[in-house]
Amino acid sequence: GAVVSQHPSWVICKSGTSVKIECRSLDFQATTMFWYRQFPKQSLMLMATSNEGSKATYEQGVEKDKFLINHASLTLSTLTVTSAHPEDSSFYICSASQGALTEAFFGQGTRLTVV
Amino acid sequence: AQSVTQLGSHVSVSEGALVLLRCNYSSSVPPYLFWYVQYPNQGLQLLLKYTTGATLVKGINGFEAEFKKSETSFHLTKPSAHMSDAAEYFCAVGGDTGRRALTFGSGTRLQVQP
Repeated sequence: GAVVSQHPSWVICKSGTSVKIECRSLDFQATTMFWYRQFPKQSLMLMATSNEGSKATYEQGVEKDKFLINHASLTLSTLTVTSAHPEDSSFYICSASQGALTEAFFGQGTRLTVV
Repeated sequence: AQSVTQLGSHVSVSEGALVLLRCNYSSSVPPYLFWYVQYPNQGLQLLLKYTTGATLVKGINGFEAEFKKSETSFHLTKPSAHMSDAAEYFCAVGGDTGRRALTFGSGTRLQVQP
């Protein structure tokens, strides 16, 4: 299957700083990427849908000015958590699609801890 | 709109016993259904998926699931549990027109007792 790589796998940052998470499709072109958030012992909640070359579509309740998403190329999408606070600590997972929904592949996730 | 209900947040079985993880869905359009497994601090690995065609779907690691439209179910089974099957399992639904992301269930943690 296709490979999606997320980087970093884990990151610790100080409160008030910004953190960037990368999601790369290694062997296919991803026209759409999805960003999910997972709190401990909970399910994945969709944060936003990112289409290459256009603005991301955010789910209700997700602050677009806090969670900046860029999808500048067909193989890379980034999520930047701005002015991070402890409540932003979570597991962030991306998935990438070649176009058809049946072809969504997940990255390994990024554990963010804000201290 | 689509939704997924996973019955049982925790399931415990003995090694060698049958594994049954339940998933019911709601969808106003023909659904695409998925089962994923997640190990601690890792991403999701696709076990199997149903899109169209045969309703009994075979996946990796000996898992299979059957799509039952009349029951709106997509239960995951494995005839004989292995210790390495201990993980979190998520059922997901997709295919909703205009919403191309997946909607996940709350997850079921599978414990395998020796």
